[in-house]
Amino acid sequence: GAVVSQHPSWVICKSGTSVKIECRSLDFQATTMFWYRQFPKQSLMLMATSNEGSKATYEQGVEKDKFLINHASLTLSTLTVTSAHPEDSSFYICSAVDGHEQYFGPGTRLTVT
Amino acid sequence: SQQGEEDPQALSIQEGENATMNCSYKTSINNLQWYRQNSGRGLVHLILIRSNEREKHSGRLRVTLDTSKKSSSLLITASRAADTASYFCATDGEDKIIFGKGTRLHILP
Repeated sequence: GAVVSQHPSWVICKSGTSVKIECRSLDFQATTMFWYRQFPKQSLMLMATSNEGSKATYEQGVEKDKFLINHASLTLSTLTVTSAHPEDSSFYICSAVDGHEQYFGPGTRLTVT
Repeated sequence: SQQGEEDPQALSIQEGENATMNCSYKTSINNLQWYRQNSGRGLVHLILIRSNEREKHSGRLRVTLDTSKKSSSLLITASRAADTASYFCATDGEDKIIFGKGTRLHILP
């Protein structure tokens, strides 16, 4: 199947700083990518839909000014957590759509100290 | 937002026994998928069942889908220690995949 990568796989940052997470589709082009967040022992919560060349669509309750999404090319979407706080510590997972299939990245663990 | 609700939330069984997990959802779907996630790791896609299918098998996995009841079940037969993980159903309403709350399965040696 298709491969989606995320970088970094884990990151530790200080409170108040910003962190960028990349999601890449390695062997296909994805006009649509999704970003999920998962807190410990909970399920994946959809944060936003990232569309290449247009603004992301955010789910209810997700602050678009805090979680900046950029989908500048057909193989790359980035999620920037701005002014991160400890409560933003979570596992962030992206997925990319190839036709009717959706492929998930391995996730990025963010820890904000 | 979450659409699926799994039950049980947690399940512990002896190795070799069968494990059954259920999932209910709220809106119309095109497909329903089951995923596995080991602690702290990414998702592993297990099986996809389309809305016009009622049952599907893959190795030790058996998935059923009842669209009239908006529910699905995942059966793992002859469980193994390596099956210990969290299992999520995911539905694809509104062109986005929404996950259920998951079942944490623990296989006892």
